[in-house]
Amino acid sequence: DTAVSQTPKYLVTQMGNDKSIKCEQNLGHDTMYWYKQDSKKFLKIMFSYNNKELIINETVPNRFSPKSPDKAHLNLHINSLELGDSAVYFCASSQGGPQSEQYFGPGTRLTVT
Amino acid sequence: QQQVKQSPQSLIVQKGGISIINCAYENTAFDYFPWYQQFPGKGPALLIAIRPDVSEKKEGRFTISFNKSAKQFSLHIMDSQPGDSATYFCAASYQGAQKLVFGQGTRLTINP
Repeated sequence: DTAVSQTPKYLVTQMGNDKSIKCEQNLGHDTMYWYKQDSKKFLKIMFSYNNKELIINETVPNRFSPKSPDKAHLNLHINSLELGDSAVYFCASSQGGPQSEQYFGPGTRLTVT
Repeated sequence: QQQVKQSPQSLIVQKGGISIINCAYENTAFDYFPWYQQFPGKGPALLIAIRPDVSEKKEGRFTISFNKSAKQFSLHIMDSQPGDSATYFCAASYQGAQKLVFGQGTRLTINP
């Protein structure tokens, strides 16, 4: 039973398109995150939500809009995709914030052509 | 001040050897130091974590050494195995912080 799941696993799209990535966790955690991992493997936090409330927006362009319909879901919508958006996007969850173990999803590899 | 500097960027160790990855930080408020392990095509997973009230924590072949005065901490993998080949990330956070600050990652390869 997957703890943190993401769909799709791969996403190939053209510049200018709009796309969404979905994330669900079945751990009962109260905090969810989106991370971006670039080609050099650097992990950068984008957003975090606690009980559906936005906690962190780490200077991410307005084209990225997270949505948390409930505690178990945190989706990421990206408008007007750019080449530089190509990366692996990870969803993660934890109970009690960043000093608790974070459980990462399998990642979504986004390729913008 | 929010940075965590990790080295080396890549590391090759022979099977059975000791792998050592180092991290340094500036923010003295940091009080939680986890290490995450990431295999190719997978998400990172917590490997081991330490708080500054102890200088060392060991779990199996994995040990974190922590030097508060030097503001450094390191991961030691004893008897390294090919299955340990992965990317390792150190990270840091403090009470009340809203995020983990990750190091740049170390790609570890264990040669058989």
